[in-house]
Amino acid sequence: GIQVEQSPPDLILQEGANSTLRCNFSDSVNNLQWFHQNPWGQLINLFYIPSGTKQNGRLSATTVATERYSLLYISSSQTTDSGVYFCAVGYNTNAGKSTFGDGTTLTVKP
Amino acid sequence: NAGVTQTPKFQVLKTGQSMTLQCAQDMNHNSMYWYRQDPGMGLRLIYYSASEGTTDKGEVPNGYNVSRLNKREFSLRLESAAPSQTSVYFCASSDRLAGGYEQYFGPGTRLTVT
Repeated sequence: GIQVEQSPPDLILQEGANSTLRCNFSDSVNNLQWFHQNPWGQLINLFYIPSGTKQNGRLSATTVATERYSLLYISSSQTTDSGVYFCAVGYNTNAGKSTFGDGTTLTVKP
Repeated sequence: NAGVTQTPKFQVLKTGQSMTLQCAQDMNHNSMYWYRQDPGMGLRLIYYSASEGTTDKGEVPNGYNVSRLNKREFSLRLESAAPSQTSVYFCASSDRLAGGYEQYFGPGTRLTVT
């Protein structure tokens, strides 16, 4: 199956700093999502981005499918950005079932 | 729209007991999924259903059964719970759009087996 590797595993920032999270995957995929799991455990959809670049406020994401990686950028981080960020990848066949990475745990300090 | 709902939110079972986790979605999605999340790890797929009437095994299906009751509902059953099944269980749904599948998740069920 597909292998998904996220880096770094842990990240500690001061409020206002910028960060880049990376997701590498082992095979060509045509589904890719980024999620934020907040401290209460809820999974929040950030981006559906199998290729290209998208932006939503302070967050943006880029996927280079041919090179098998995706990047999530967080600018001017806030304490509410704390939590775990997951990348999930898969194919459009098999009902789009996804393989998750182990996540990046982000802590933003005031 | 409630999105994806799950019941119960919390459950404690003794080893050997059985239970069913319920999931429903109101987005008219064809595909539904059950994942488990263990501490410090990502989600792992247990079972999925591409459409009403079909189910398939995911990465970690042992010890579980599923039922796709109708288009809205997808249940997960533990026939004889074991401590190794202590985890947080997430249900998700999606549909095939022009761009592919985008999954939406429920709030999760925290299960402890003692």
